Amino acid sequence: GAGVSQSPSNKVTEKGKDVELRCDPISGHTALYWYRQSLGQGLEFLIYFQGNSAPDKSGLPSDRFSAERTGGSVSTLTIQRTQQEDSAVYLCASSLEWSYGYTFGSGTRLTVV
Amino acid sequence: EDQVTQSPEALRLQEGESSSLNCSYTVSGLRGLFWYRQDPGKGPEFLFTLYSAGEEKEKERLKATLTKKESFLHITAPKPEDSATYLCAVQDPGQNFVFGPGTRLSVLP
Repeated sequence: GAGVSQSPSNKVTEKGKDVELRCDPISGHTALYWYRQSLGQGLEFLIYFQGNSAPDKSGLPSDRFSAERTGGSVSTLTIQRTQQEDSAVYLCASSLEWSYGYTFGSGTRLTVV
Repeated sequence: EDQVTQSPEALRLQEGESSSLNCSYTVSGLRGLFWYRQDPGKGPEFLFTLYSAGEEKEKERLKATLTKKESFLHITAPKPEDSATYLCAVQDPGQNFVFGPGTRLSVLP
């Protein structure tokens, strides 16, 4: 596609429920990143996929968070047993080559009530 | 640990009033410094990559410069459509990116 696509754009969930956020990167981009942006905060790195290499999961805040990338393309970020502090905008970005910078999607706004 | 700070937190300018945004960083070996623009409700949009001290890049009314400790984003004769949050990020040799908190720019007509 022409850009990075994320779905859903908005998600309201009850505390304790699981959620899945989807990211469709730009075709051919080998690198894919997930970030979290809380109100008034900077972007917080979550996880990074590069080609077929093992993902860099160093930014995941707890074991309730996991992500996978199937076939080197679509990625899903899963948050289990959601908590109110998980409320944020979750941004996905992809890149062909690091020096080009990322192309970001518009994000999924997650609200845990 | 890599750190990025940005100042000011918010900046209000009159149309045509030039100014600069600051990004200060500490990183264990800079691989690249990136500037992004973010509009409300949207993901950040890539503007520039700078690789080494002394480098400059320009795009329309924006010019980014880099020293060993900081980067400046100069905005010349801004227009209301330049209003956005400007984010700075650094990448270290481990390919980790660290973003600053951003500067919220408002340009009044």
